Amino acid sequence: SAVISQKPSRDICQRGTSLTIQCQVDSQVTMMFWYRQQPGQSLTLIATANQGSEATYESGFVIDKFPISRPNLTFSTLTVSNMSPEDSSIYLCSVGVAGGSTDTQYFGPGTRLTVL
Amino acid sequence: GQQVMQIPQYQHVQEGEDFTTYCNSSTTLSNIQWYKQRPGGHPVFLIQLVKSGEVKKQKRLTFQFGEAKKNSSLHITATQTTDVGTYFCAVNTGNQFYFGTGTSLTVIP
Repeated sequence: SAVISQKPSRDICQRGTSLTIQCQVDSQVTMMFWYRQQPGQSLTLIATANQGSEATYESGFVIDKFPISRPNLTFSTLTVSNMSPEDSSIYLCSVGVAGGSTDTQYFGPGTRLTVL
Repeated sequence: GQQVMQIPQYQHVQEGEDFTTYCNSSTTLSNIQWYKQRPGGHPVFLIQLVKSGEVKKQKRLTFQFGEAKKNSSLHITATQTTDVGTYFCAVNTGNQFYFGTGTSLTVIP
């Protein structure tokens, strides 16, 4: 298993500003992901955070808006840049852990972002 | 990304009734996973299915993978208030996980 912490747990920001969310894992993991979840909705994959190389972004998400860092196998950051009210959401960090034939995904507690 | 639909979107049941959610894909899946997200919480892994026609049980929960590996179901027998939450199926493509639309379960005491 993996224990994941995220900071901040919540924030209220002004439009046009940027927020950096931190994700810390208690063990080294290869797979690390960032998701967005709007209230009452499913999880949308933003990107895969790759250690030592640029993140892999899903369709509809770009590096200029959501820059990601992955300096080592236990830590990653996601920045939400030039925020607008449409960016209000919960942002979740997750890691994939391989165990036998099963790849289990563990999630952090999430960061609840409100943009005014 | 992978498109996975779930039905129903919402389900209200009386405590003690059964509940089923279905996950459907237009393409053949290599595997499917199920997660539960309690209100205000984060998704928690329940199980992974890999084989065609596979059935797995966890106490009152029964998970099934279709013969064609394009659909899956989660059945809860005799629901309890602790079963409240949103149930998501998810597909692991090897490099990414794609989540279904989710079914929100409300259990009325």
